[in-house]
Amino acid sequence: DAGVIQSPRHEVTEMGQEVTLRCKLISGHNSLFWYRQTMMRGLELLIYFNNNVPIDDSGMPEDRFSAKMPNASFSTLKIQPSEPRDSAVYFCASTLYGDRVSGYTFGSGTRLTVV
Amino acid sequence: DAKTTQPPSMDCAEGRAANLPCNHSTISGNEYVYWYRQIHSQGPQYIIHGLKNNETNEMASLIITEDRKSSTLILPHATLRDTAVYYCIVRVATGGSYIPTFGRGTSLIVHP
Repeated sequence: DAGVIQSPRHEVTEMGQEVTLRCKLISGHNSLFWYRQTMMRGLELLIYFNNNVPIDDSGMPEDRFSAKMPNASFSTLKIQPSEPRDSAVYFCASTLYGDRVSGYTFGSGTRLTVV
Repeated sequence: DAKTTQPPSMDCAEGRAANLPCNHSTISGNEYVYWYRQIHSQGPQYIIHGLKNNETNEMASLIITEDRKSSTLILPHATLRDTAVYYCIVRVATGGSYIPTFGRGTSLIVHP
């Protein structure tokens, strides 16, 4: 298994542009989590899904952020319009719902820079 | 959610044991303790977890005190590649899953 795959690895965009981050879950996993990491705030949970259904999006900063799971193995996090303060590393992680044994598997992250 | 407290940084000589403490004095009876680490520029990596018994796997050992108010992650023979930020997390239960909430962790530096 290739693990959790995120794309792109790096994204540089101008303020006001739309940004779409992508995440492919590990085959068989059915829970998906999006995190954001900055020096100031550390790792923050943005939103998570179980079986394609968003369960808790209270961590999403504002309406400019949206996340979807169009199918069981894929998710997108969209920022529209982007702002410089959105610059961060965005991670997604997947697990099998209810599995307390193997923990979460994280992707390698997308480093977003908004100029 | 039970809060965890970890020292911000530690260092260890290569080949020696690294003992990383974590305080979770408000942990409740059905909450697990999980450890993750994050090597620079990578995503967090699951290491080990436990409820009340000590646990060991190929990566580390986890020692949980009898009152469960603290735990220690042990890397028995630390290598330079173990330099990372180590996070101690107490399980937040939602249905059948748990949601890791990461604090600041302990930055472990393993030196030659």
